[in-house]
Amino acid sequence: DARVTQTPRDKVTEMGQEVTMRCQPILGHNTVFWYRQTMMQGLELLAYFRNRAPLDDSGMPKDRFSAEMPDATLATLKIQPSEPRDSAVYFCASAGLTDTQYFGPGTRLTVL
Amino acid sequence: GESVGLHLPTLSVQEGDNSIINCAYSNSASDYFIWYKQESGKGPQFIIDIRSNMDKRQGQRVTVLLNKTVKHLSLQIAATQPGDSAVYFCAESLNNQFYFGTGTSLTVIP
Repeated sequence: DARVTQTPRDKVTEMGQEVTMRCQPILGHNTVFWYRQTMMQGLELLAYFRNRAPLDDSGMPKDRFSAEMPDATLATLKIQPSEPRDSAVYFCASAGLTDTQYFGPGTRLTVL
Repeated sequence: GESVGLHLPTLSVQEGDNSIINCAYSNSASDYFIWYKQESGKGPQFIIDIRSNMDKRQGQRVTVLLNKTVKHLSLQIAATQPGDSAVYFCAESLNNQFYFGTGTSLTVIP
């Protein structure tokens, strides 16, 4: 049963600390998305990659957020320095030949 | 930016009844639409999709209707079950950019 996996599932950190979230897309999927979900804003697209190349990161605050795909099996989203307003659930999703996105379980981030 | 909105933020239905969840999308050029289900503490789960060249598509107990004239999308769930209780999101896609609505919370009353 192929699934997107994300680590950690929960992260509590203090303001100013670096946070790194990891995602393993479904094997063979070549498109990876990062989303942020909050009660106020709902699901927001932060960035997405195709064949490991960043295609769009316009939804991401550039000064503190960075997204990379070191290889086809790993996507990372980093926040440095983190702020309380970054508290949210961060989802990774992957897609293959169809446009259907399969979401991971999310990383719940709390910045104190 | 694009926006996708839901008419009803909450919906309560009796078990066994049919549910209809509505969604208005903003861009008439959007060519692909998806419904997702999100249970508490989990990521969104794909339910059904439809492309703009169709106006209806059926799955197992679910039907999606697309009305391009009024830019409206609906999800119909037949014989709603307690396990259907969740938040349902619609999403529109244009040029591989996806825009999600805020969601409708469906509660099934046993």
